[in-house]
Amino acid sequence: EVQLVESGGGLVQPGGSLRLSCAASAFTFTSFRMSWVRQAPGKGLEWVANIKEDGSEEYYADSVKGRFTISRDNTKNSLNLQMNSLRAEDTAVYYCARVWNGLDVWGQGTTVTVSS
Amino acid sequence: EIVLTQSPATLSVSPGERVTLSCRASQSVSSNLAWYQQKPGQTPRFLIYNAATRASGIPARFSGSGSGTEFTLTISSLQSEDFAVYYCQQYNNWPYTFGQGTKLEIK
Repeated sequence: EVQLVESGGGLVQPGGSLRLSCAASAFTFTSFRMSWVRQAPGKGLEWVANIKEDGSEEYYADSVKGRFTISRDNTKNSLNLQMNSLRAEDTAVYYCARVWNGLDVWGQGTTVTVSS
Repeated sequence: EIVLTQSPATLSVSPGERVTLSCRASQSVSSNLAWYQQKPGQTPRFLIYNAATRASGIPARFSGSGSGTEFTLTISSLQSEDFAVYYCQQYNNWPYTFGQGTKLEIK
């Protein structure tokens, strides 16, 4: 079964850092762009970052540009999101998702709470 | 950035009814539009891609149409499990964007 499993969420103070990971299984990871999408409590979906199949290109939402870095390790079938200078407005469930005509496979999400 | 505007924000409907949800783009996204369903506490579910193609395992009562800037998602006969929030999303231009969602409520 195609699966994405996120980890790394938690409580962090404003200005702090957190690294999210996503483990992919049961599909050819190197054939797909991958993304992170987030959802703040009670709010809609926001596409955060996107990375090309070979990791050569990255795209970021303006809201996270310069603070977040998306990366992937194709030898380990894993996707990462390094989040620095975190703000209260970054509090959300973060989803890892596979890019195929939109987002066809989603992980279960990991919760990030930024609060003092 | 392409803005997607969904209407209405909330729709109260009865089981068995036919419903049409709208998604309007601020500029053309060709047919590069997807629809998702999200129930409370659950991960979004991929419903429709390329504006009109049902994803694997999606019941035939769900259909999508449109191109350019105007899109619709139609549910031909609402089932109890269809009450949820529906999002459209364009993948024609980065940054990819979502609409704000339409919530289907039981009347």
